[in-house]
Amino acid sequence: GAGVSQSPRYKVAKRGQDVALRCDPISGHVSLFWYQQALGQGPEFLTYFQNEAQLDKSGLPSDRFFAERPEGSVSTLKIQRTQQEDSAVYLCASSLRGEAFFGQGTRLTVV
Amino acid sequence: DQQVKQNSPSLSVQEGRISILNCDYTNSMFDYFLWYKKYPAEGPTFLISISSIKDKNEDGRFTVFLNKSAKHLSLHIVPSQPGDSAVYFCAASPQTGANNLFFGTGTRLTVIP
Repeated sequence: GAGVSQSPRYKVAKRGQDVALRCDPISGHVSLFWYQQALGQGPEFLTYFQNEAQLDKSGLPSDRFFAERPEGSVSTLKIQRTQQEDSAVYLCASSLRGEAFFGQGTRLTVV
Repeated sequence: DQQVKQNSPSLSVQEGRISILNCDYTNSMFDYFLWYKKYPAEGPTFLISISSIKDKNEDGRFTVFLNKSAKHLSLHIVPSQPGDSAVYFCAASPQTGANNLFFGTGTRLTVIP
């Protein structure tokens, strides 16, 4: 497709459950980012990949959060043992240079 | 600590008038600034950007102004249209293409027909 695609669009998880969120970036985009957007807030940086290399993971809130991009294309954000405070929209973005292009996000609700 | 601030959570403007959205930042290392527009249930969409070597960038109805000494930027939309109604996020980065964008909390613009 022409844009960044994320799946699922919505995810409801029971507290303690593991979840995996997928991102398909724009073809050819080297850089890939994950952001977390809580209700009423702006997106907050989680992690950044350049091709398959994770160059910055300083924004990951805890060691329960893990991201990978093994072949430099599709990326997965995994959250282990989900907690209620993990409820948010998770946005993926990709870029070639300059501005980042965002997907529609995955809304995660932990109950 | 919020490094990029949008102090107006909402703004209402009549169709045809000018919309002015404001953004302040605290980090003097920020060198590249962007505005994103977000409709409900969609991801943010890039609108316009400006680097610190400029004080103005224009793209159609959208103009971004940067005042580095005041650490302030603004987005002007002229004339405003009902389709412009959305949440607008200001974002900043230490350099063009940097991996980390710092976002403000957004301003919800409503353009009244």
